[in-house]
Amino acid sequence: DIQMTQSPSSLSASVGDRVTITCRASQRISRYLNWYQQKPGKAPKLLIFAASSLQSGVPSSFSGSGSGTDFTLTISSLQPEDLATYYCQQSYSTPYTFGQGTKLEIK
Amino acid sequence: EVQLVESGGGLVQPGGSLRLSCAASGFTFNSYWMHWVRQAPGKGLVWVSRIHGEDSRTAYADSVKGRFTISRDNAKNTLYLQMNSLRAEDTAVYYCASDPDYGGFSFFEYWGQGALVTVSS
Repeated sequence: DIQMTQSPSSLSASVGDRVTITCRASQRISRYLNWYQQKPGKAPKLLIFAASSLQSGVPSSFSGSGSGTDFTLTISSLQPEDLATYYCQQSYSTPYTFGQGTKLEIK
Repeated sequence: EVQLVESGGGLVQPGGSLRLSCAASGFTFNSYWMHWVRQAPGKGLVWVSRIHGEDSRTAYADSVKGRFTISRDNAKNTLYLQMNSLRAEDTAVYYCASDPDYGGFSFFEYWGQGALVTVSS
């Protein structure tokens, strides 16, 4: 199985900050990498697919990059509503696997 | 508007069975892969199973293989998960999710609200 490792596991940032979350795959997965946002008590929501494609309706403050084994999710200007846990997920091969999550708190 | 609505969750004893349903609307159901993803209380997301839109090819996580069966009824726009021989570690919120397999890239585009399954005596 492909292991996905996110860092950091948690972070605290201020409104307006630029935030970066990284995700590393245990083997090369090309661009088969997706990012999700999960707010407390809610279902996850797709943010980015295929490493860098922004899902329709997602603010342009979110962006993704990377290929191979190393990927990043960037929030260019943090907003209060971005409080959530963020997950990466590989779709290179089944079993599809998620990172352990990054809990983002607002200072 | 795309909607995925899960039902069938509840409390079941270890060794028991439960069937989850996911009613889909707002998209061409048989054109999409469908998945089940679960989340134990306070834990992360874990992929469980998937099924192809037309030929019903399936795949499972090792942790549920041989115990869970995914299926779909395209005439009813409904996805199912039959869960047998349930264990305490299967306790989780179960989400169904749609996957357009866009350009060969698979991703969970839309999610249901989740169904809680609790396995306990």
